[in-house]
Amino acid sequence: AQSVSQHNHHVILSEAASLELGCNYSYGGTVNLFWYVQYPGQHLQLLLKYFSGDPLVKGIKGFEAEFIKSKFSFNLRKPSVQWSDTAEYFCAVNDSAGYDFGNEKLTFGTGTRLTIIP
Amino acid sequence: IAGITQAPTSQILAAGRRMTLRCTQDMRHNAMYWYRQDLGLGLRLIHYSNTAGTTGKGEVPDGYSVSRANTDDFPLTLASAVPSQTSVYFCASSGSTASSYNEQFFGPGTRLTVL
Repeated sequence: AQSVSQHNHHVILSEAASLELGCNYSYGGTVNLFWYVQYPGQHLQLLLKYFSGDPLVKGIKGFEAEFIKSKFSFNLRKPSVQWSDTAEYFCAVNDSAGYDFGNEKLTFGTGTRLTIIP
Repeated sequence: IAGITQAPTSQILAAGRRMTLRCTQDMRHNAMYWYRQDLGLGLRLIHYSNTAGTTGKGEVPDGYSVSRANTDDFPLTLASAVPSQTSVYFCASSGSTASSYNEQFFGPGTRLTVL
């Protein structure tokens, strides 16, 4: 079964610091990769996604992630964080190889709580 | 506004009681999902449905059942609630289009406490 690891459980940074959150997955075949964000008291929202092509993907709010297939990784980055980035971040993987209409099951990591100090 | 609605927002339930969590989407997505979110465990898939009339088991299906009578609704039922089912429950949906292939959209969640 697919598994997703997020090694950083809680990260505390000051505003303007750079951010990198780790995500590793176990499946060796074709994968689709996602980062979701959950702001306090809110539901999950998509930050960015990777399906194919350029391994460096840009998302909303200045976030980006790089897919490194050889390392089974999809780390999330942001060059300069803001207080409003305080949230929980989830990496997720879908291992339905190719196009499988209506079957986009996701496996989530356990999440990383990010706290930004003003 | 298009999206997913869940009801109730929160509920406190006595152990042994039956409870149905409601989920409705208006995006005409084929697939729908139920997750539970627990501290330190992230989101775990309970049940899913690829299309109306079909359902499947996820990672943690025991104690839960679902039905998918139509495209829009995907209720989750706890036949006899137990304290370990205390959690936040999220419904999600997905549908492949040119701009949102494989993306799941999430509802606001239901916070359930079983005493």
